[in-house]
Amino acid sequence: EVQLVESGGGLVQPGGSLRLSCAASGFTFNNHWMSWVRQAPGRGLEWVANINQDGSGTYFVDSVKGRFTISRDNVQNSVYLQMDSLRGEDTAVYYCARDQHYYESGNYYYYFDVWGQGALVTVSS
Amino acid sequence: VEMTQSPATLSVSPGQRATLSCRASQSVSSNLAWYQQRPGQTPRLLIYGASNRATGIPARFTGSGSGTEFTLTISSLQSEDFAVYYCQQYNYWPRTFGQGTKVEI
Repeated sequence: EVQLVESGGGLVQPGGSLRLSCAASGFTFNNHWMSWVRQAPGRGLEWVANINQDGSGTYFVDSVKGRFTISRDNVQNSVYLQMDSLRGEDTAVYYCARDQHYYESGNYYYYFDVWGQGALVTVSS
Repeated sequence: VEMTQSPATLSVSPGQRATLSCRASQSVSSNLAWYQQRPGQTPRLLIYGASNRATGIPARFTGSGSGTEFTLTISSLQSEDFAVYYCQQYNYWPRTFGQGTKVEI
């Protein structure tokens, strides 16, 4: 069974740091880009970051650039989100998601085909 | 790319058809996905490539459209279909979602 399990969420003060982990199983982990997507309370979905198969390429939404880093361990089949300088607006459920892709007209296109159960991050004093 | 979904809320009776719309601020070709999020649950992929059902998705879910206008049709609503539905474009970076359509009884 394909599965993603997040951990590491919790309550942190503004300006603090938190590290989320996502353990993958049931598929060949190093064949896939991986992403983090967040959902603020009562709000919609926002892609946050992703990382390519070997970890050499990382991408972020503008609002977290310079504060968040994404990494992966292809031996442990895990992806991580290091969140520094946290703000109240970072409060959300953070989902780990597997990227699926296809190749068309000279480009690769990526969508999210498997999601974890989410980890709640609350930034508050 | 901004994604706009309509309506925000759709009230439908079980067994009826539901039609959800999604509009992109510029053409995204057919690089559009639909996700379902039931209350308290994680999002689930329904449709990718605008019209391809994901593995295990029932045939009552149909996606259509290309360019800037897309539609998700649920042919005969079942109780488990009452949820929030999000469209998402992946033609451009950053990948962006619509604000969601809530399908309620």
